[in-house]
Amino acid sequence: DSGVTQTPKHLITATGQRVTLRCSPRSGDLSVYWYQQSLDQGLQFLIQYYNGEERAKGNILERFSAQQFPDLHSELNLSSLELGDSALYFCASSVGADTGELFFGEGSRLTVL
Amino acid sequence: AQSVAQPEDQVNVAEGNPLTVKCTYSVSGNPYLFWYVQYPNRGLQFLLKYITGDNLVKGSYGFEAEFNKSQTSFHLKKPSALVSDSALYFCAVSRGGSQGNLIFGKGTKLSVKP
Repeated sequence: DSGVTQTPKHLITATGQRVTLRCSPRSGDLSVYWYQQSLDQGLQFLIQYYNGEERAKGNILERFSAQQFPDLHSELNLSSLELGDSALYFCASSVGADTGELFFGEGSRLTVL
Repeated sequence: AQSVAQPEDQVNVAEGNPLTVKCTYSVSGNPYLFWYVQYPNRGLQFLLKYITGDNLVKGSYGFEAEFNKSQTSFHLKKPSALVSDSALYFCAVSRGGSQGNLIFGKGTKLSVKP
């Protein structure tokens, strides 16, 4: 158990809808990262927050947004969903902003029909 | 731009034999290099990392990796493979000291047969 909690574990929705994925980092970790894993794209870095502030941005679509709250949990919002957004979304956390040693949650599997 | 290449989609090894999973990287500045393992329907688990110092890094479950700066490689090794080592292995790089986010390779599926 990594200590990172993600909810929901599975989510099925329709095209055009909006969903929110939630992540609670390990106790004491200030950084939260979001990754998307799909068969064709592999593991893609989406975005990083550190202590409530956006720290780094990767291949995140404009339809996606995220935030980190004062209690350090994070949410990833996916809107106007398309079939291609079906993927496993991982949250990871780390103590610092630039250590690179990440602890991953079990992931949220999103299926868009 | 940073990138990681894992040239083999799959590596097949007999139990008890040594295994190597290859990784090469491209990054400006000093790289922080990592190996992670993913079991089916699970999140990624940290195996080991190289930041500085000894080029041979030892990690979890008997795995080790060798950093080779001239060849820009960071191959994962284990002297004697176990069936339970069968999983998906990811090499990753970050631009150490300035970026915490990891750039991952495509992954290599390791299959260890009895």
